[in-house]
Amino acid sequence: QSVLTQTPSASGTPGQRVTISCSGSNSNIGTNSVNWYQQLPGTAPKVLIYNNNQRPSGVPDRFSGSKSGTSASLAISGLQSDDEADYYCAVWDDSLHARVFGGGTKLTVL
Amino acid sequence: EVQLLESGGGLVQPGGSLRLSCAASGFTFNNYAMNWVRQAPGKGLEWVSVISSNAAGTYYADSVKGRFTISRDSSKNTLHLQMNSLRAEDTAVYYCAKGGELIRSGIDYWGQGILVTVSS
Repeated sequence: QSVLTQTPSASGTPGQRVTISCSGSNSNIGTNSVNWYQQLPGTAPKVLIYNNNQRPSGVPDRFSGSKSGTSASLAISGLQSDDEADYYCAVWDDSLHARVFGGGTKLTVL
Repeated sequence: EVQLLESGGGLVQPGGSLRLSCAASGFTFNNYAMNWVRQAPGKGLEWVSVISSNAAGTYYADSVKGRFTISRDSSKNTLHLQMNSLRAEDTAVYYCAKGGELIRSGIDYWGQGILVTVSS
């Protein structure tokens, strides 16, 4: 059972907006910055969002991140078939002295 | 361009040892914390360990504490993971991952991963 809780699956049709949530606690999300990763099938993860809401160069602005209290969210607008992947949130936990990952959300584009 | 290239994976028997290496290039290796993250077949990502930029600080997941040791060689821009007393549940793809200047900073680059299989 992960320290960070993510809904196991999400889905949407092309063009729709989808939101993936990540719930934690005061010792992790409540204190530190959240990153979001996209993992396409058979490939290594890639950073989508860092420091809660910053996009690396090359990541489309269709992807956005936010944080409030002990929860974080990743929003994907204008959903495309290429967005079908697993998405993970991650953050440092001050109590565990460890980096923690959410269990992952499998996004299906219908 | 940041590049992280893992090596040293393979098949090992339960109770055996293996040493993973990660050759880093494209950034100033000595300025950044480095991590190992693993992914068991069909499962999610699991953080394994982190080492600070100056190697003074290390942290481990409870699942590997006392069995795995992370280290870095600044002269060769290389990260290592010594894995002892391996168990079947250590079977996974292991990723080398670049962190930020602080241990708590997030991971921003990943290697392509290397498979470790623990089986008799």
